[in-house]
Amino acid sequence: GAVVSQHPSWVICKSGTSVKIECRSLDFQATTMFWYRQFPKQSLMLMATSNEGSKATYEQGVEKDKFLINHASLTLSTLTVTSAHPEDSSFYICSAWDSFSGANVLTFGAGSRLTVL
Amino acid sequence: GQSLEQPSEVTAVEGAIVQINCTYQTSGFYGLSWYQQHDGGAPTFLSYNALDGLEETGRFSSFLSRSDSYGYLLLQELQMKDSASYFCAVFVTSSSGSARQLTFGSGTQLTVLP
Repeated sequence: GAVVSQHPSWVICKSGTSVKIECRSLDFQATTMFWYRQFPKQSLMLMATSNEGSKATYEQGVEKDKFLINHASLTLSTLTVTSAHPEDSSFYICSAWDSFSGANVLTFGAGSRLTVL
Repeated sequence: GQSLEQPSEVTAVEGAIVQINCTYQTSGFYGLSWYQQHDGGAPTFLSYNALDGLEETGRFSSFLSRSDSYGYLLLQELQMKDSASYFCAVFVTSSSGSARQLTFGSGTQLTVLP
């Protein structure tokens, strides 16, 4: 199946700084990628849909100016957490539809664990 | 919006059979998926049902009843490595109506005992 690579796998930053997380589709093109956030022992919550060449679509309650998404190419989407605060500490996971495995399979990156001090 | 309900925890012994149920309420429904997630890891795809009935993949099977808005994941011959969280997820039309997206349930923590 397809592979989605996510970097960094973990990051620790000071409150007020910005953090960028990259998500790459390694062997396929992804016009659409999805960003999820997961708090400990909880479900995956969809934050936004990243669309190549156009603006991301954010879910209700997700701040567009805080979570900046850029999908400049068919293989790369980035999520920037701006002016991070401790409450932003979470597990962020990107995903893309895996056309190799089937139109209905979502392949996930390994996730990025963000800790804001 | 969408809502999914599944049990929070299930415990079973090695070699046993476990069924994890999922009920959902949603619009723009295409199908029901199941994902497995080990602690600290990424979710991995297990199965997808678009039509009513049972889909079997090795030790795992998944069932869907669209009329009842209900599905389940059946795990047979449980192994210790099956201890993980299992999420049902509905495959729906996005709120903007322009794309497909996956909305996850709260997850079921399965513990397999020796």
